[in-house]
Amino acid sequence: KAGVTQTPRYLIKTRGQQVTLSCSPISGHRSVSWYQQTPGQGLQFLFEYFSETQRNKGNFPGRFSGRQFSNSRSEMNVSTLELGDSALYLCASSWMAIKRGGPADTQYFGPGTRLTVL
Amino acid sequence: QKEVEQDPGPLSVPEGAIVSLNCTYSNSAFQYFMWYRQYSRKGPELLMYTYSSGNKEDGRFTAQVDKSSKYISLFIRDSQPSDSATYLCAMSSFMDTDKLIFGTGTRLQVFP
Repeated sequence: KAGVTQTPRYLIKTRGQQVTLSCSPISGHRSVSWYQQTPGQGLQFLFEYFSETQRNKGNFPGRFSGRQFSNSRSEMNVSTLELGDSALYLCASSWMAIKRGGPADTQYFGPGTRLTVL
Repeated sequence: QKEVEQDPGPLSVPEGAIVSLNCTYSNSAFQYFMWYRQYSRKGPELLMYTYSSGNKEDGRFTAQVDKSSKYISLFIRDSQPSDSATYLCAMSSFMDTDKLIFGTGTRLQVFP
């Protein structure tokens, strides 16, 4: 079974630009979560999508947005890039049929997209 | 103060040693506790998953959760050079199971 794939793997942008990252979940998984990983803050939750709906959101500014398509593939977009947005962006997929009140489902991570903002 | 605290290391041990990795947390709502391993240039992979307090063993790995102290541990027995990686603790609450809160990770190096 193929794992979570993310494209592109590496990206270099300049301040003020926008960027779109893509994530293809494991076949059959309907939940996709996005995380930002930096040396200082570690992994921080951005948002989670299930069946094309955003179910949960972390504490990031509105410049960070995402969406999910009917085939469960997801994209995240960062507009007006800042130097501090340089990070590894990780996508994770799971069954996650139950968001609340149920057991935490295993999240399977992709290799990430390394974004560098100059 | 962060919700989850983890010593960043690095932790350097000889092959065969017992390794102890720890995290403390402040949110008493956390019910699900996980340990992930992350190799360089890879995404995190789940090692252990524990619900509420108690111990769980899987091969050379043992996870412990002490909710009264808000403290979780991962023990690695007979450590191998292939265990050299960053170990991340993660946790989530009953009402927000999909939102994992991570520690910053501990870098472990096992030398032959």
